[in-house]
Amino acid sequence: DAMVIQNPRYQVTQFGKPVTLSCSQTLNHNVMYWYQQKSSQAPKLLFHYYDKDFNNEADTPDNFQSRRPNTSFCFLDIRSPGLGDAAMYLCATSRGQRGSTDTQYFGPGTRLTVL
Amino acid sequence: AQSVTQPDIHITVSEGASLELRCNYSYGATPYLFWYVQSPGQGLQLLLKYFSGDTLVQGIKGFEAEFKRSQSSFNLRKPSVHWSDAAEYFCAVIYNFNKFYFGSGTKLNVKP
Repeated sequence: DAMVIQNPRYQVTQFGKPVTLSCSQTLNHNVMYWYQQKSSQAPKLLFHYYDKDFNNEADTPDNFQSRRPNTSFCFLDIRSPGLGDAAMYLCATSRGQRGSTDTQYFGPGTRLTVL
Repeated sequence: AQSVTQPDIHITVSEGASLELRCNYSYGATPYLFWYVQSPGQGLQLLLKYFSGDTLVQGIKGFEAEFKRSQSSFNLRKPSVHWSDAAEYFCAVIYNFNKFYFGSGTKLNVKP
């Protein structure tokens, strides 16, 4: 089935040790998003790619970076994780037709623990 | 400023009882509204969405929602809740093309 896949599902890292989370999609969607969701909170948009165009939210810390090498894959890099970065990280996609409004389809998330 | 309010943080209902989860939005233009469900440790699954047309929309798992422009509401309903419906429910509105704004969520607990 076409879907949004996130690997790994659970990631443990040490304070300050760089970590990369992966997202892939078989939907051939133009737009890919990364959200951070802390416990009992709503998902918070970090950034999104419209095709190759990167769009950063104004309040996303510089510690968070992203790469999209091709349509199918998108990576979230946390350069120096702090304890406050422990959260669920959700990847989502949407078709991204210009001028239209799209549903977002979410992956299962990666739970990041920072020790 | 755009916002989505889910006034109920936690709701407990008995299995078989009816359910209504409230969602109010603040948005100047025509809203595009969504309900997502999140089971523990999982991603978000789309239940239903409203873009235009009939204000009563049907979704998966027996859920429905009604858009009421006069009340700026998009409440989610289900006539008979099952134990498997226990989860967290998020209302969302699209603004600025493809950017979602989520409500803070309502956690549903189902009593046997």
